[in-house]
Amino acid sequence: AQSVTQLGSHVSVSEGALVLLRCNYSSSVPPYLFWYVQYPNQGLQLLLKYTTGATLVKGINGFEAEFKKSETSFHLTKPSAHMSDAAEYFCAVFISGSARQLTFGSGTQLTVLP
Amino acid sequence: EAGVAQSPRYKIIEKRQSVAFWCNPISGHATLYWYQQILGQGPKLLIQFQNNGVVDDSQLPKDRFSAERLKGVDSTLKIQPAKLEDSAVYLCASRVARMNTEAFFGQGTRLTVV
Repeated sequence: AQSVTQLGSHVSVSEGALVLLRCNYSSSVPPYLFWYVQYPNQGLQLLLKYTTGATLVKGINGFEAEFKKSETSFHLTKPSAHMSDAAEYFCAVFISGSARQLTFGSGTQLTVLP
Repeated sequence: EAGVAQSPRYKIIEKRQSVAFWCNPISGHATLYWYQQILGQGPKLLIQFQNNGVVDDSQLPKDRFSAERLKGVDSTLKIQPAKLEDSAVYLCASRVARMNTEAFFGQGTRLTVV
């Protein structure tokens, strides 16, 4: 069965500091990986996705993530945090085959301190 | 392009009452998902449709939850009777039925059962 683990349910950074949100997945076949952001009382908005090709993917709002197969990881980073980045972030995995589910991690709440 | 539409945005009901949620996916999106998101948790898949057929409903509490997608477009999710633990945000998402595409989410319906 596929699964997604997000380490750290809450992360706090200072404005201007590096943002690092961790995501690990389990899959026996190559996955498709996504990061979504959720603002209060809103649905989920796609930040970026990895399907095939380049392992470093860039998304909106200055975020990027690197797919590392050997580590089964897809960590999300941003060089310099902005107050507007405060939100909940979800990693998700989609695996082709019979299951074909889009499975989400438990989320990481990012707080940006002034 | 219009996004995924959901209604109502908010609903408060008493336990043992019934409630229904409606979702209109993005035009042309064959795959439709209903997720349940309990406060502080990641979205949990309830049911997945491909056109008007059910692909996965393994996590749907079938004794009280039902869903349909007539004509492969709009979908409704019903709870009857509701329990206190059903209080959550119900998210609808849709995607094109290709492996490397992301899901687009509606704003969700926040259900409070009192």
